[in-house]
Amino acid sequence: DGGITQSPKYLFRKEGQNVTLSCEQNLNHDAMYWYRQDPGQGLRLIYYSQIVNDFQKGDIAEGYSVSREKKESFPLTVTSAQKNPTAFYLCASSIDSRQLGTIYFGEGSWLTVV
Amino acid sequence: GQNIDQPTEMTATEGAIVQINCTYQTSGFNGLFWYQQHAGEAPTFLSYNVLDGLEEKGRFSSFLSRSKGYSYLLLKELQMKDSASYLCVLNTGGFKTIFGAGTRLFVKA
Repeated sequence: DGGITQSPKYLFRKEGQNVTLSCEQNLNHDAMYWYRQDPGQGLRLIYYSQIVNDFQKGDIAEGYSVSREKKESFPLTVTSAQKNPTAFYLCASSIDSRQLGTIYFGEGSWLTVV
Repeated sequence: GQNIDQPTEMTATEGAIVQINCTYQTSGFNGLFWYQQHAGEAPTFLSYNVLDGLEEKGRFSSFLSRSKGYSYLLLKELQMKDSASYLCVLNTGGFKTIFGAGTRLFVKA
């Protein structure tokens, strides 16, 4: 079945540590996104990518980095510069970010600072 | 600016009908989506409206009025499994998608 796979589901980060969240899709979608969700707030865009080897900052990119070396993969690294990383992270994709299209989400990853 | 307003929480009874409203302030948008999100899970697509009017999809219907800056999601024959958050989402062009904070719906027996 086609879909978006995120891993790990739960992750704990120590102070000063970088962690990477994996996102893989087999929907053949060009566009991929990373969102952060905090309690009582709407999803906020961290980074997005329209095509391979291209990505752009979203609204809250500080302290995060991404890469898009393959169409299927869009990993997110939460760096030590992100001072409040505890949140629910959602990876998503759509056929083409330039057109109106349904966004499909992965199952999400919970990141907690310990 | 761009903003989406939804009620924070609603409660309804199993078998009943519930309407979740969404108002927004934006200079223009391509379409309005509704997503369902169970706690700790990913949002799943329910419906979208591009033109004014009602879109029906089984037990779920969504309505849009661009002139009034207003949309609603109508859920009929409520089931316990409908207890979830419902997100009103605007696509303002390409990758630009604005998510509302969501309305938590509690369905009671």
